[in-house]
Parts: sequence; structure tokens; C-alpha cells
Amino acid sequence: NAGVTQTPKFRILKIGQSMTLQCTQDMNHNYMYWYRQDPGMGLKLIYYSVGAGITDKGEVPNGYNVSRSTTEDFPLRLELAAPSQTSVYFCASSYSLEGDYGYTFGSGTRLTVV
Amino acid sequence: GDSVTQMEGPVTLSEEAFLTINCTYTATGYPSLFWYVQYPGEGLQLLLKATKADDKGSNKGFEATYRKETTSFHLEKGSVQVSDSAVYFCALSESGAGGTSYGKLTFGQGTILTVHP
Repeated sequence: NAGVTQTPKFRILKIGQSMTLQCTQDMNHNYMYWYRQDPGMGLKLIYYSVGAGITDKGEVPNGYNVSRSTTEDFPLRLELAAPSQTSVYFCASSYSLEGDYGYTFGSGTRLTVV
Repeated sequence: GDSVTQMEGPVTLSEEAFLTINCTYTATGYPSLFWYVQYPGEGLQLLLKATKADDKGSNKGFEATYRKETTSFHLEKGSVQVSDSAVYFCALSESGAGGTSYGKLTFGQGTILTVHP
């Protein structure tokens, strides 16, 4: 029962560097999401996908890109990292369009940009 | 747009005390409501949910009732344990009943709960 797997768990980037946060799910969920969690701010949606080949922007997409070439994988790309992108990133997937069954979350990636 | 407001934290209780974490929401349609819990160093886990007015969600001794008239979904537990120490998030989804938000959740800011022995 792997669920949603995120890698890496921790990463320190220098300003201007790029990286990809990996997310894989083995539940055959069509719906996948990337959130960032800032202290005391709850979670904000970055990007989401309703199926392979289909992605769309959430609330805070600037500075990020995503792709969804397979049902299982939904990587998040950071180009030209900035200190404002220091955060904890969570990937999640969902069985239903309505989200009524809830999300399955990964354990998160803690990113620091210095 | 949609929003969720949770009571200010952190909340500190003694074991076996009664817990209430307030949550109110603003939505244009008929959202589904959720409580998620985040234990230290882990991702969020679904604690309970309610999909329509007057529904009561329950799990692990926690309860919350969907109150449309007061737009609230307060979390309660009659007797907390040290193992309940975590961050609790209230959230809503407006994807049902013709909504177009594709299962996206809107979260509150989270409430830190610490339970002492």
C-alpha cells in the first residue's frame, strides 16, 4: 500500500537553481494536486490534473510548472528558485471528481531556498 | 470565492478534556466539508467528512455536524488523548452538484492541538 509517494523529503536550493519534485501514486486515481503549506497559512493549491495530459493552474501557480504524461506521475518543476518558494509541498490524489472520498496525501517535501 | 476560517490556535488541553475546534465557511454552492489531521512529520489524513446539511461525520471519537444555517462544521471530541496532538485542518470542496472545481479543496489555516498527560 504505497499510496502517494513524494521525493525528495528535504532539499536546500540556492536562489536561481531549478529542481523537480516527484510524485507517484499507485491507486489509479485520475485527479492529482500539488499544494504548498506555509506556516499558519493552511494549504494553497498550485496546480492540479484531472487525467493524463490535462493540467490546470490553481491559486498560486507562478514560478512552477507541471506535466502529467501518465496516470501515476505528476511532477512539479521549480524554475529559478526564489526564497518565497521556501515551503512544504504536498502532492495528493483523489478517486472522485467530487472529492467526497477525500484526498490521499504524500508525506511532503520540505524545500528551503537560500 | 470560497473560504474557510478556523479558530485561532494553538490549543492546549489536559488528557481527557473536551475539545472543540470551530470552523466556519463561505461558499457559493453546496460544498462537501472535511476535517483533516496532520501528525508531526507526516502528510494530511482525512479524519471525517460530511456531504450535505445536517450530516454528522465521525471517526476515532471525533465528530462534526454540517450546519448550513450557521455555515459551520465544528470539530468535537469528548475526551482527548495525548496521541491526538496534531494539526487539524477544516476544508471544503465545491465539486459536487454541478460544481466545476474538480475536487479542489479550500483549507483553513490549521489549528495546532497539544494534549498534555
